[in-house]
Amino acid sequence: AQSVSQHNHHVILSEAASLELGCNYSYGGTVNLFWYVQYPGQHLQLLLKYFSGDPLVKGIKGFEAEFIKSKFSFNLRKPSVQWSDTAEYFCAVTPYTGGFKTIFGAGTRLFVKA
Amino acid sequence: NAGVTQTPKFQVLKTGQSMTLQCAQDMNHNSMYWYRQDPGMGLRLIYYSASEGTTDKGEVPNGYNVSRLNKREFSLRLESAAPSQTSVYFCASRPGTSSYEQYFGPGTRLTVT
Repeated sequence: AQSVSQHNHHVILSEAASLELGCNYSYGGTVNLFWYVQYPGQHLQLLLKYFSGDPLVKGIKGFEAEFIKSKFSFNLRKPSVQWSDTAEYFCAVTPYTGGFKTIFGAGTRLFVKA
Repeated sequence: NAGVTQTPKFQVLKTGQSMTLQCAQDMNHNSMYWYRQDPGMGLRLIYYSASEGTTDKGEVPNGYNVSRLNKREFSLRLESAAPSQTSVYFCASRPGTSSYEQYFGPGTRLTVT
């Protein structure tokens, strides 16, 4: 069965620290990849997406992610986190064929200390 | 342009009661989804509607039914609520087959006692 694994369930960082959240998926075909963010008390919103082309994609608020096809990975990065980045982050995968279903990872809760 | 709206925001039910969660989108999207979010489990797909007039089961459909009333509205019904259905429910929509990004509603927090 297709699945998405996020390596860290909880991450605590100090402001200005660098962030990398891991995401691996199990699907052999072409995929569309996403990172969504859920700020406290809010609904999910798109952080960034990859469909094709340059495997390094940039999103909102200084976030970026790199697609490494050989590793089935789509890790999220930010060079310097802020207190306002405290949120839950979800990696998601939509298979390109029959792509009505999106599979979400379990999420990573990030807490940034001021 | 309100995006995706959900009602109610909060609900408490007793075991065995029924209720319908409402979802509407004003973005003229073709596809709509219902997810449940539980701690440590991410979002799990309950049902989806690829286009008006069609519905399909997702990962965890048992105990739920859906209706795609028209292009705008997609409701989720719990016929006989159980404590295991205590969760946060999110509705989402997507433009169509050419765009895979989903837009989420604010969620409904449901507690079944």
